[in-house]
Amino acid sequence: KQEVTQIPAALSVPEGENLVLNCSFTDSAIYNLQWFRQDPGKGLTSLLLIQSSQREQTSGRLNASLDKSSGRSTLYIAASQPGDSATYLCAVDSNYQLIWGAGTKLIIKP
Amino acid sequence: EAQVTQNPRYLITVTGKKLTVTCSQNMNHEYMSWYRQDPGLGLRQIYYSMNVEVTDKGDVPEGYKVSRKEKRNFPLILESPSPNQTSLYFCASSPARGDGGTQYFGPGTRLLVL
Repeated sequence: KQEVTQIPAALSVPEGENLVLNCSFTDSAIYNLQWFRQDPGKGLTSLLLIQSSQREQTSGRLNASLDKSSGRSTLYIAASQPGDSATYLCAVDSNYQLIWGAGTKLIIKP
Repeated sequence: EAQVTQNPRYLITVTGKKLTVTCSQNMNHEYMSWYRQDPGLGLRQIYYSMNVEVTDKGDVPEGYKVSRKEKRNFPLILESPSPNQTSLYFCASSPARGDGGTQYFGPGTRLLVL
């Protein structure tokens, strides 16, 4: 059964730093992997989607990588800003279901 | 505006009283799904639908029903709610699984079952 783990559970860094969030999954037979952002009291916003055949995707200051063989993905955030504070979730599309990690709560200190 | 809407946003009910949470999308998406989010457990898929009249169970379908009679609507039905169904529920849609599958989420429905 697919399991998704995100480390760390929480992270607090000063504004301007580059940072990396980690996501690992147990079954490499995935269709794609997605990174989402969740703001308190709001829904989820899709940030990046990486197909199983891809190695990375970029959007602005965000870069997500995928290594299927090792069961890992990273979300790299460059030059962090207070507005980046949110919970970041990764989800693996596996067997027609999205399996989710528990998220990393990110706080960017001004 | 392209969006997924859910109603109600907040609901307090009592054990055993049937309820329906509606979900509607205006993007002509084929794929729709329901999730529940609980502290420490993350999001778990309840049911999903690949298209009209096609539904399937996710990870935690017990105590829930769904229907997909129209492409735009995917209601979640709790026939006899119990306190362990107190949770935050999200509906999501995407064009189809094969084209990238980026999912669009509704704002969430916070349910409390007493």
